[in-house]
Amino acid sequence: QMQLQESGPGLVKPSETLSLTCTVSGGSISSSSDYWGWIRQSPGTGLVWIGSISYSGITYYNPPLKSRVTISVDTSNNQFSLRLSSVTAADTAVYYCARLYCTDGVCHFDYWGQGILVTVSS
Amino acid sequence: QAVLTQPSSLSASPGASASLTCTLRSGVNVGSYTISWYQQKPGSPPQYLLRYKSDSDKHQGSGVPSRFSGSKAASANVGILFISGLQSEDEADYYCMIWHSSAWVFGGGTKLTVL
Repeated sequence: QMQLQESGPGLVKPSETLSLTCTVSGGSISSSSDYWGWIRQSPGTGLVWIGSISYSGITYYNPPLKSRVTISVDTSNNQFSLRLSSVTAADTAVYYCARLYCTDGVCHFDYWGQGILVTVSS
Repeated sequence: QAVLTQPSSLSASPGASASLTCTLRSGVNVGSYTISWYQQKPGSPPQYLLRYKSDSDKHQGSGVPSRFSGSKAASANVGILFISGLQSEDEADYYCMIWHSSAWVFGGGTKLTVL
């Protein structure tokens, strides 16, 4: 059974960079049919896709966040990471990592981490 | 106007059926999209339920009961998650999702209350 686990600071100061890592176990991050993604959920609100990456480093970012987001992959450690720069209170959210499973060009997020709450505050 | 619009809440009785709708913005044709559905319970991450494009192009999540099914109402430009035989454990938030304009887009979610 594949498992994903987010890790990183739970508190980030305004204007600084949020950095999170997702560690994948029970499967390889190097599968050619999979992408890996970050999704966030602000308190009491819905889900927002941040971006996704393939094992080879191909990235897709949500346009409203694109200028501040970098997602990278570390296949040797079976991890992928998120960096979000110039954070404000509006970036306070639970951040989830997830596997984007694709078959015949159709995809869905099938495995999710438990989520990590990141608060932006001084 | 949001790409995907879901009613904020829906209530139904145990044993009854519920149709959760996901309305696509005007100009975004439901027939062209595969709609994925997710269930989220408090304190837990979303769980994939199913995806639906047509009766011949659909996928049920592993372990997801057959009483969860997907469909579309093309005339209303709507995707539908149908849940039959409602159980108390179905009480949760439900989200739809599509790939649109090079981005994964989620609806705002529907809180389903079973009472």
